[in-house]
Amino acid sequence: DGGITQSPKYLFRKEGQNVTLSCEQNLNHDAMYWYRQDPGQGLRLIYYSQIVNDFQKGDIAEGYSVSREKKESFPLTVTSAQKNPTAFYLCASSIRTGGGQPQHFGDGTRLSIL
Amino acid sequence: AQSVTQLGSHVSVSEGALVLLRCNYSSSVPPYLFWYVQYPNQGLQLLLKYTSAATLVKGINGFEAEFKKSETSFHLTKPSAHMSDAAEYFCAVSEVNAGNMLTFGGGTRLMVKP
Repeated sequence: DGGITQSPKYLFRKEGQNVTLSCEQNLNHDAMYWYRQDPGQGLRLIYYSQIVNDFQKGDIAEGYSVSREKKESFPLTVTSAQKNPTAFYLCASSIRTGGGQPQHFGDGTRLSIL
Repeated sequence: AQSVTQLGSHVSVSEGALVLLRCNYSSSVPPYLFWYVQYPNQGLQLLLKYTSAATLVKGINGFEAEFKKSETSFHLTKPSAHMSDAAEYFCAVSEVNAGNMLTFGGGTRLMVKP
């Protein structure tokens, strides 16, 4: 079945450490997105990519980095510069063109600080 | 910038009662509209979407939503709540000619009492 796979499901970060969250999709979608979810705050866009080798900052990109070397993959690195990384992170993908297309979501990665 | 307001961060209904979750958007041009559901520690699942066809949209699990341009609203309803409907619900909008970027509301947690 086609879908989005996020790994790991739970991740712990030590102070000063960078961690990378994986997101892989087999839906043949051009566009991919990373969101951060905090209780009571809905979803906030971190980064998005409309095409391979190109990505754009979202609303809360500080302290995060991404790469898009393959269509199927869009990993997110939470750097030590992100002072409050504890959150639920969601990856999504969609068709790039032809508005009105929904985004499809993975099951998320919950990141906590040790 | 587009904004989405979900009135009521928490809604509680009895099993068998009507479910009404409210969503208002700010765009002067009718956007594309979506409702998603999120169960604990999972990603978002699409319930239904409005893309300028019929104003009453039917979705999965017995939910439906009505687009009202005059009220800039897209409220989600279900005639009879079931215990399994307990989850968080997100309204999202995508502006016409903005690709498939989404702006999310803050979410409404639905609780169903036996």
